[in-house]
Amino acid sequence: GNSVTQMEGPVTLSEEAFLTINCTYTATGYPSLFWYVQYPGEGLQLLLKATKADDKGSNKGFEATYRKETTSFHLEKGSVQVSDSAVYFCALSEGTSYDKVIFGPGTSLSVIP
Amino acid sequence: DAGVIQSPRHEVTEMGQEVTLRCKPISGHNSLFWYRQTMMRGLELLIYFNNNVPIDDSGMPEDRFSAKMPNASFSTLKIQPSEPRDSAVYFCASSDEGGGNQPQHFGDGTRLSIL
Repeated sequence: GNSVTQMEGPVTLSEEAFLTINCTYTATGYPSLFWYVQYPGEGLQLLLKATKADDKGSNKGFEATYRKETTSFHLEKGSVQVSDSAVYFCALSEGTSYDKVIFGPGTSLSVIP
Repeated sequence: DAGVIQSPRHEVTEMGQEVTLRCKPISGHNSLFWYRQTMMRGLELLIYFNNNVPIDDSGMPEDRFSAKMPNASFSTLKIQPSEPRDSAVYFCASSDEGGGNQPQHFGDGTRLSIL
């Protein structure tokens, strides 16, 4: 079945460091891929998405490229801020008309000043 | 536009009691999802609806859990009787049916503690 794997956390970085959170997936067909972010005490919110191979999603300085050949969708940011501290979830859609998604386990990021 | 609204935000009750969690999806959204989040098990999909009809309830852990969506603007998740292991944050999410490309919009969750 479809699944999403992402790097184990927690990840701790200093402010202005470069961020990479790895995500790989297993899916049949051509899923859409998403990154969601969850800040403390809140629900998940969409950070970025890509709907087909080689698409790059971007938002708030974060980027991820849909790589079909490596079945990956790694999240990157060139310079993290303390306010980026959150849990990040990689996810894929199952391509149904119901928008059901499969979420990865989440990666906790802490950015220290 | 208002987001997904969940109530209550916090619920503390004793085991054996009935618990009802409520959700109002974003107006116009066709799909609604209930999730449970714990440290041990992460984010689990419990059940989802499309056009008010339950599509897949295979994630509902036990018969003690039930969910309804009587109309397009309201859904409930009920636990009866509740047990301490049901303690978790429960999220509701909705999406605008779009063939799998539309993101889900989450509420802020209900933090449930069963004593």
